[in-house]
Amino acid sequence: SYELTQPPSVSVSPGQTARITCSGDALPKQYAYWYQQKPGQAPVLVIYKDSERPSGIPERFSGSSSGTTVTLTISGVQAEDEADYYCQSADSSGTSYVFGTGTKVTVL
Amino acid sequence: EVQLVESGGGLVQPGGSLRLSCAASGFTFSSYWMSWVRQAPGKGLEWVANIKQDGSEKYYVDSVKGRFTISRDNAKNSLYLQMNSLRAEDTAVYYCARKYRTHNTGWFDPWGQGTLVTVSS
Repeated sequence: SYELTQPPSVSVSPGQTARITCSGDALPKQYAYWYQQKPGQAPVLVIYKDSERPSGIPERFSGSSSGTTVTLTISGVQAEDEADYYCQSADSSGTSYVFGTGTKVTVL
Repeated sequence: EVQLVESGGGLVQPGGSLRLSCAASGFTFSSYWMSWVRQAPGKGLEWVANIKQDGSEKYYVDSVKGRFTISRDNAKNSLYLQMNSLRAEDTAVYYCARKYRTHNTGWFDPWGQGTLVTVSS
């Protein structure tokens, strides 16, 4: 089955840059998406189609793709960005979906 | 405002059944694919099922095939998940989500607040 691998945790000081990676064999052929989930809340889409930002999402959130790895970058991290982040993609037919293992971002 | 509100969760014994509902508002429900995604306590997200706008196509994660059925009622702006033969490993918060699909890809936005299903004796 298709898997997406993320680092379990990333720690960053306020104002610094956090980078979260997501690796998967199908990512060169499939878009990736990123969700932010704060404790006790539903996930929120922060990046779609590798690098597009939905309306209402701060500009400090950006996405990029290179080969089998996609990256979510949070520039100028704020305390409110502390959350779990999940990448997501689809199989080649677009009928089956998979989420990454999740990364907990801690703001020091 | 787009809103998705799940209901129907609760405690059920192994082997039992439960039907989840999701009431949608603030958008043209019949124009979108819809999905269920679950999250076991303290664990990550797992896609469960998708359904096409008219209900003619349905897809499931392998672990629920033959046990769960996704359906919708466009007249009632509602999405459903019938869960049979429930197992302890089905214990999770179940989220309803609007699904965007283009060509061979797709994503989920927005999500409901979730409903907790606990399978235990």
